Amino acid sequence: QQQVKQSPQSLIVQKGGIPIINCAYENTAFDYFPWYQQFPGKGPALLIAIRPDVSEKKEGRFTISFNKSAKQFSLHIMDSQPGDSATYFCAASMRGGFKTIFGAGTRLFVKA
Amino acid sequence: DGGITQSPKYLFRKEGQNVTLSCEQNLNHDAMYWYRQDPGQGLRLIYYSQIVNDFQKGDIAEGYSVSREKKESFPLTVTSAQKNPTAFYLCASSIGVSGETQYFGPGTRLLVL
Repeated sequence: QQQVKQSPQSLIVQKGGIPIINCAYENTAFDYFPWYQQFPGKGPALLIAIRPDVSEKKEGRFTISFNKSAKQFSLHIMDSQPGDSATYFCAASMRGGFKTIFGAGTRLFVKA
Repeated sequence: DGGITQSPKYLFRKEGQNVTLSCEQNLNHDAMYWYRQDPGQGLRLIYYSQIVNDFQKGDIAEGYSVSREKKESFPLTVTSAQKNPTAFYLCASSIGVSGETQYFGPGTRLLVL
């Protein structure tokens, strides 16, 4: 129940394409769903996050879609660029839960 | 500049040796965390601390130890009991105790000689 399942494991798109990364969770007590971006040899950094009271959130070229009834959420990257090539992690946490549960990560490569 | 620093960037361990990874934050965050990342895998929680002088085991605490004597510092010791220590170690912190947004350091890569 504490798992967050992330897919695909890796993804290759052309520049300008729209990669989509999906995550699913079981525990309905989760109330915060962040996405982290990690470049090789660096620590992850928060990219965008959503709470379950909204179905979509956009920040620049990054959009989270959230489906509370299906317990799924996804990251869309509009007009993807080679500089977006990184590993992306979805995650889930709950107030007072102290821990964040991370997905296994998706390695994205954007071809120039 | 506020942030999290980890040192060293690379660390080499000999058989039977204990090594300590440093993590310091100046964000005034209460909670701090240690994660292990293996190639192509996600983040696995080793230990976390919600407050000074208190810490809890994560999912893979065996072979590791921590201390939290100061709010800013959360060092991780990889003991000789950890038989497969080669990995990328990440320290993180978060505001308060909700464990929401986590701020990560740049990581320490540990290699076994």
